[in-house]
Amino acid sequence: ETGVTQSPTHLIKTRGQQVTLRCSSQSGHNTVSWYQQALGQGPQFIFQYYREEENGRGNFPPRFSGLQFPNYSSELNVNALELDDSALYLCASSLAGRAADTQYFGPGTRLTVL
Amino acid sequence: AQSVTQPDIHITVSEGASLELRCNYSYGATPYLFWYVQSPGQGLQLLLKYFSGDTLVQGIKGFEAEFKRSQSSFNLRKPSVHWSDAAEYFCAVGENFGNEKLTFGTGTRLTIIP
Repeated sequence: ETGVTQSPTHLIKTRGQQVTLRCSSQSGHNTVSWYQQALGQGPQFIFQYYREEENGRGNFPPRFSGLQFPNYSSELNVNALELDDSALYLCASSLAGRAADTQYFGPGTRLTVL
Repeated sequence: AQSVTQPDIHITVSEGASLELRCNYSYGATPYLFWYVQSPGQGLQLLLKYFSGDTLVQGIKGFEAEFKRSQSSFNLRKPSVHWSDAAEYFCAVGENFGNEKLTFGTGTRLTIIP
């Protein structure tokens, strides 16, 4: 059984550019959540996808968007990057989109915006 | 809205000493509570979780936590810390309906001294 994987590990972009981050969920999981963790802070919920549909969104602007594919892998897209978007982006997968399910986190993608 | 407070930003403990990390939450209904640990450059690993039932929860690596509804607290404890326990610890509260959004505290950094 493979765990949650994310790519790339690190990424450097300039302000105004667009970025796509990828996440492969743990085998058998159909739900993926994305979190942003700024330096020295706890993770903040961006959004969740359950069976390819958005299933909740945090307080992030529309330039943060996502996709979930039939194999339940997921992408996080950020348009018009701002300096404050520099953070560790974590994805987490879980079994069935229920609050009682444990979320398993990937190692994260470190995004630096210059 | 739910929230989590971790009052201690940084704690230093001698190896072999006992540990208690504090967590207070704000949530209108019965909360789902979690403790995660994050080592440098790593994702989050679940230590333990509370949904219902016995208020003393056992987790991995010898950790335990006690849910106290009257104090809105879910403190993490370990009777004897090891140097490998040095990491960042996050308390989180989950919604008990709908999606699995987790709201995290700002974390407590644990340093172990010989």
